[in-house]
Amino acid sequence: NAGVMQNPRHLVRRRGQEARLRCSPMKGHSHVYWYRQLPEEGLKFMVYLQKENIIDESGMPKERFSAEFPKEGPSILRIQQVVRGDSAAYFCASSATGQGLGGYTFGSGTRLTVV
Amino acid sequence: AQTVTQSQPEMSVQEAETVTLSCTYDTSESDYYLFWYKQPPSRQMILVIRQEAYKQQNATENRFSVNFQKAAKSFSLKISDSQLGDAAMYFCAYRGSEKLVFGKGTKLTVNP
Repeated sequence: NAGVMQNPRHLVRRRGQEARLRCSPMKGHSHVYWYRQLPEEGLKFMVYLQKENIIDESGMPKERFSAEFPKEGPSILRIQQVVRGDSAAYFCASSATGQGLGGYTFGSGTRLTVV
Repeated sequence: AQTVTQSQPEMSVQEAETVTLSCTYDTSESDYYLFWYKQPPSRQMILVIRQEAYKQQNATENRFSVNFQKAAKSFSLKISDSQLGDAAMYFCAYRGSEKLVFGKGTKLTVNP
């Protein structure tokens, strides 16, 4: 029973390229959350998705960032035309329910470095 | 919006001693959950302990326990018999009707 799987673990992109981060939730979990962690900072919420639906994207930058969680396959966080300020650790978490019970199960994160 | 405040950016403790990490939060909700997560250098987020707001009894998990003061909106973590492996960033988190909200973290150093 694998946990939350994120890949790649490390991603290096040049400025202006696209970054695609993948997240497969725990088996049986249909709620996915993306968080960003800047150096020496806590985790900041970005987006909350259920299968084929974006529930809350209040933490997503208005431009260049998008997320999806298709009916089949992993959730994808996509960053277009990356800039140095996008360098951070991006964490995905999943839960069985959208509210209340329990915390989230986190993946190991993807560390994005923009050069 | 809910906020979580950790006022201690860094703490240190001697091995085998006890340390308490502070956390306060702000909310108007009555039902919610509080969590402490540990993030070692590997970056993995590990759930240490959780507390349901409707429970008056403080949660305990082996050497980890909390002091939950609902009226004061305070949720501190006590680590007893500290071990070298406890060295990590510790994040306090709140979850009510919406997403999980984190504090900025406390870096814990354990001295041998």
